[in-house]
Amino acid sequence: NAGVTQTPKFQVLKTGQSMTLQCAQDMNHNSMYWYRQDPGMGLRLIYYSASEGTTDKGEVPNGYNVSRLNKREFSLRLESAAPSQTSVYFCASSEAPQESSGANVLTFGAGSRLTVL
Amino acid sequence: DAKTTQPTSMDCAEGRAANLPCNHSTISGNEYVYWYRQIHSQGPQYIIHGLKNNETNEMASLIITEDRKSSTLILPHATLRDTAVYYCIVRVVEYGNKLVFGAGTILRVKS
Repeated sequence: NAGVTQTPKFQVLKTGQSMTLQCAQDMNHNSMYWYRQDPGMGLRLIYYSASEGTTDKGEVPNGYNVSRLNKREFSLRLESAAPSQTSVYFCASSEAPQESSGANVLTFGAGSRLTVL
Repeated sequence: DAKTTQPTSMDCAEGRAANLPCNHSTISGNEYVYWYRQIHSQGPQYIIHGLKNNETNEMASLIITEDRKSSTLILPHATLRDTAVYYCIVRVVEYGNKLVFGAGTILRVKS
């Protein structure tokens, strides 16, 4: 049982290049999330997908696109990378409560470290 | 959004209890309090969560005040491996169940 798997673990890009970060979970979770973490700071939500077929913007969506390919997979794409997007990216998933007031526990992947030169 | 306030850093002696405080004075009645930790640059790890009552699991205990405006995470017997950044998070009750992470508390367990 792998949990949440992210690829690649490390990537170096030049300004203007594009790339896609992949995330897959094997826990049959409904919701998936992409966060970024800059040095010395907490995590900031980029995009999330509450259920298969839906995606929504989080706190810092500019410069990113996402695709919820199926229930297991949620990818994050940088169309034209900028140095400000140098960060560690974390994917997470959760079962999500049936009612909006229920508890929501996230399981995180190990992270993808991206450097944009 | 409900926000949390935590001390920037704390030290704890190995084998002693670590008590990490968190203020969440704007929490609403149906918002949960969650605690996660992050060791080095690994992905955050879930520790515990609660709504009104105190909670305990194999990792920690969570004490929530009666007015729900603050809580304390207790690691009963801290070890060196508990050195990490600890995040106190209040879930935002909206579509998508967004969790907002602050800067957290750096806990240093010392021998």
